[in-house]
Amino acid sequence: DIQMTQSPSSLSASVGDRVTITCRASQSIASYLNWYQQRPGKAPNLLIYGASTLQSGVPSRFSGGGSGTDFTLTISSLQPEDFATYYCQQSYRTRRTFGQGTKVEIK
Amino acid sequence: EVQLVESGGGLVQPGGSLRLSCAASGFTFDDYAMHWVRQAPGKGLEWVSRISWNSGTIDYADSVKGRFTISRDNAKNSLYLQMNSLRAEDTALYYCAKEYSSGWPYLDYWGQGTLVTVSS
Repeated sequence: DIQMTQSPSSLSASVGDRVTITCRASQSIASYLNWYQQRPGKAPNLLIYGASTLQSGVPSRFSGGGSGTDFTLTISSLQPEDFATYYCQQSYRTRRTFGQGTKVEIK
Repeated sequence: EVQLVESGGGLVQPGGSLRLSCAASGFTFDDYAMHWVRQAPGKGLEWVSRISWNSGTIDYADSVKGRFTISRDNAKNSLYLQMNSLRAEDTALYYCAKEYSSGWPYLDYWGQGTLVTVSS
C-alpha cells in the first residue's frame, strides 16, 4: 500500500496567519492527491483534488500544490471556520489511503 | 440533492458480525464507485473498502481483508458492508462515500456515519 505521511500532526495559528501543511507519499502518485477538511462531529469535506484543483464552493484562500511524492495545502489567511483537521488522500491506487491528519488549532 | 444515509451500526461482541447499509439518493447510483471509510474515536480517517460501479473491482484495506465484504445492489441504490470476526479495533464511525472521477478520483459526498462498537 502507498503510505501517506502528513506534517505537522498539529499546529497552532492565529486568525489571518498563512498556514502550510505537507503530505508525503511513499511512492510517486503523480497528481493523484486529494485534501479534505473535517470539523468536529462532522463528515469530511473535499477541498482540493488532483493536487491543485479547488472543489466548487471552496474559498480561494485554500490552495494545493506538488506532484510526485511531495504535496502542500496552504491556507493564505486563516479564518475562524478553518480550525479543523485536514487529511490528504492518494487516489493513484484503488486501495486509497489517507494521511494521519493535521489538526489546526487556535493560538 | 445527493444523500447517503448509513445504518446498521450498534454494539456487538468480539467475534460477532454486523451488516452496515448505505442508502443513496439524488444521483445515478450505478454510475459511481463507492467506498467505506472509518474513524475510530478520536483518531484519523482510515480507508476500508471500495467497490466499482458494477462490482467488477473490489478492494480492501489489509486490516479488514478476509473479514469484511463490500457489496452493492444497484436496483436498490444501496451499498453494504458485511463485517465478520469483529475485533475491538474495528470500533469506529463508519462512513459511506461516493467517488467521482473526472480523471482525478475523489470522494465528493459522504454520509454522516454509523457507529460500530465492538465490546464485551
